[in-house]
Amino acid sequence: QVQLQESGPGLVKPSETLSLTCDVSGYSISSDYYWGWIRQPPGKGLEWIGSFYHSGSTYYNPSLKSRVTISVDTSKNQFSLKVSSVTAADTAVYYCARQWTVTTTNYFDYWGQGTLVTVSS
Amino acid sequence: SSELTQDPAVSVALGQTVRITCQGDSLRTYHASWYQQKPGQAPVLVIYGKDNRPSGIPDRFSGSTSGNTASLTITGAQAEDEADYYCHSRDSSGNQLFGGGTKLTVL
Repeated sequence: QVQLQESGPGLVKPSETLSLTCDVSGYSISSDYYWGWIRQPPGKGLEWIGSFYHSGSTYYNPSLKSRVTISVDTSKNQFSLKVSSVTAADTAVYYCARQWTVTTTNYFDYWGQGTLVTVSS
Repeated sequence: SSELTQDPAVSVALGQTVRITCQGDSLRTYHASWYQQKPGQAPVLVIYGKDNRPSGIPDRFSGSTSGNTASLTITGAQAEDEADYYCHSRDSSGNQLFGGGTKLTVL
């Protein structure tokens, strides 16, 4: 059974860096899937943040690219998200998820439970 | 453009059929996937690929595409189907796209 679990501070001050980790169990992140981060501001829709493939390919939402970094620790089977210079607009539930992308088929099949990050002083 | 457009809200009478649509240029090339999200919960994949259901998803959920419009159809809607539904696809650069979501009310 594939399981993902987000962790990190629930409160971040404006202008600081948001840092989250996704622990994966039941599947190796070095295998044939992408892994991604998605967020959802309170009461709003889903927004893709970025994804990576174990080969080293990383893709970021163009609107967030200048502030976002995704890194991987295959020894711990986990990956991380950093968002710099946060503002209140970055307040959201952050999800990590497993992503299948092959030719014309593309989906997120396993999701973490999500973690709420609030940006406030 | 790299956008997916959904109607904000749709309602259906209990036991009737409802279609939730998603429009976008990327859907002419890439399949849509669909997610159900209930309050306080993570999204759940209900349809992917041409018209595939993950294990555990009832067969009353189905998907289709015509031109630039993808549809999620629920045949015989149940009370437990009341939720937000999101479509998802990608563009040619590998960017992942989500629709704005449709709130389904089962009357």
